[in-house]
Amino acid sequence: EPEVTQTPSHQVTQMGQEVILRCVPISNHLYFYWYRQILGQKVEFLVSFYNNEISEKSEIFDDQFSVERPDGSNFTLKIRSTKLEDSAMYFCASSRGGIGEETQYFGPGTRLLVL
Amino acid sequence: QKEVEQDPGPLSVPEGAIVSLNCTYSNSAFQYFMWYRQYSRKGPELLMYTYSSGNKEDGRFTAQVDKSSKYISLFIRDSQPSDSATYLCAMSAGGGGNKLTFGTGTQLKVEL
Repeated sequence: EPEVTQTPSHQVTQMGQEVILRCVPISNHLYFYWYRQILGQKVEFLVSFYNNEISEKSEIFDDQFSVERPDGSNFTLKIRSTKLEDSAMYFCASSRGGIGEETQYFGPGTRLLVL
Repeated sequence: QKEVEQDPGPLSVPEGAIVSLNCTYSNSAFQYFMWYRQYSRKGPELLMYTYSSGNKEDGRFTAQVDKSSKYISLFIRDSQPSDSATYLCAMSAGGGGNKLTFGTGTQLKVEL
């Protein structure tokens, strides 16, 4: 069964450093998403991406964040200058899109720890 | 008022019990309703997807949506210890961005 994959599974970084989180969405999916979950809190939407551009972003997704689909299979989230409060689990998700195809499938997540 | 409210639990039931999990919401634009299961430190796993009001059944799981009351439920029949996890409700209005808004999750423990 196709699934969303994410790398790395864990990342530890120093405050102020740049990190890139990588995702491989399900191959025939057209919509891609990033969510985050701070420990003990709910899953929060960051950004959605379709047709090589951002469809929607939350207030969390400020200028420190960017997304890219560098090739036909990868989808990345970059945090330019990490802060302590960026420590969280980051989930990538994808969906086919279209009527009746809105279901989002999530990857296993990348646990980011900013020291 | 939060957009999506969900009792965090924990909810502890004996094996074989029927479990009822619920969420309420305030945004009348929500049309798509999902239940995800999340094991500790893992990604959300889709259990059920429902569009608009009505019921949907899949094996031991039944999802109900009542848009008039802004209330959704997930029932688990014949609960098993392997059902022990956190259950997340999620919903969206659809459209271009289709962002999901999640509840806080209900922690369920099914005991032998």
